[in-house]
Amino acid sequence: QITLKESGPTLVKPTQTLTLTCTFSGFSLSTRGVGVGWIRQPPGKALEWLALIYWDDDKRYSPSLKSRLTITKDTSKNQVVLTMTNMVPVDTATYYCAHSPEDGGLTDYYFDLWGRGTLVTVSS
Amino acid sequence: SYELTQPPSVSMSPGQTARITCSGDALPKQYAYWYQQKPGQAPVLVIYKDIKRPSGIPERFSGSSSGTTVTLTISGVQAEDEADYYCQSADSSGTYVFGAGTKVTVL
Repeated sequence: QITLKESGPTLVKPTQTLTLTCTFSGFSLSTRGVGVGWIRQPPGKALEWLALIYWDDDKRYSPSLKSRLTITKDTSKNQVVLTMTNMVPVDTATYYCAHSPEDGGLTDYYFDLWGRGTLVTVSS
Repeated sequence: SYELTQPPSVSMSPGQTARITCSGDALPKQYAYWYQQKPGQAPVLVIYKDIKRPSGIPERFSGSSSGTTVTLTISGVQAEDEADYYCQSADSSGTYVFGAGTKVTVL
């Protein structure tokens, strides 16, 4: 059974750097084709894809946020970490991590299982 | 940047058929995926690779594709189907994108 859980601060100040950790179980991020991504959702608004890291350490970022994001993995700990610099109030959102499956060793570009999300508020 | 366009809302009575469209220039070449999100909950995958249904998803949910438009159909909509629905795809460089979401209201 695959599970994912997001953790990190619930409140950050403007200009600070946000660090979120996704701890997962039920799969290995060293399996060919597998990925873990981050998606956020401001209150009452739509989902926004942020970043994704693959089994081979290949990384993808949202073009609009690329300069502020870094995604890394620790396969031995079953964790993926997302950092976002220079936080501003509009970054207030629920942040989700999600599993991107493989299909015969090839990457599939979607998320089949999600964590519950963690609400991050940016305020002074 | 690549965009997916969805109608903001769709409403119908129980038992009717709901059709939610999603349009994007890359959809003829890239698969589309659909997620259901109920208030306060994480999204749930309901359709993948345009037409496939994950295990555990009711048969009343189906997907189709034609040119630059994909459609999520809920046949015989039930009160429990009231939710926001998001389409998602990826461009050729592996950048993911979500549509703005469609709110389905069951009257």
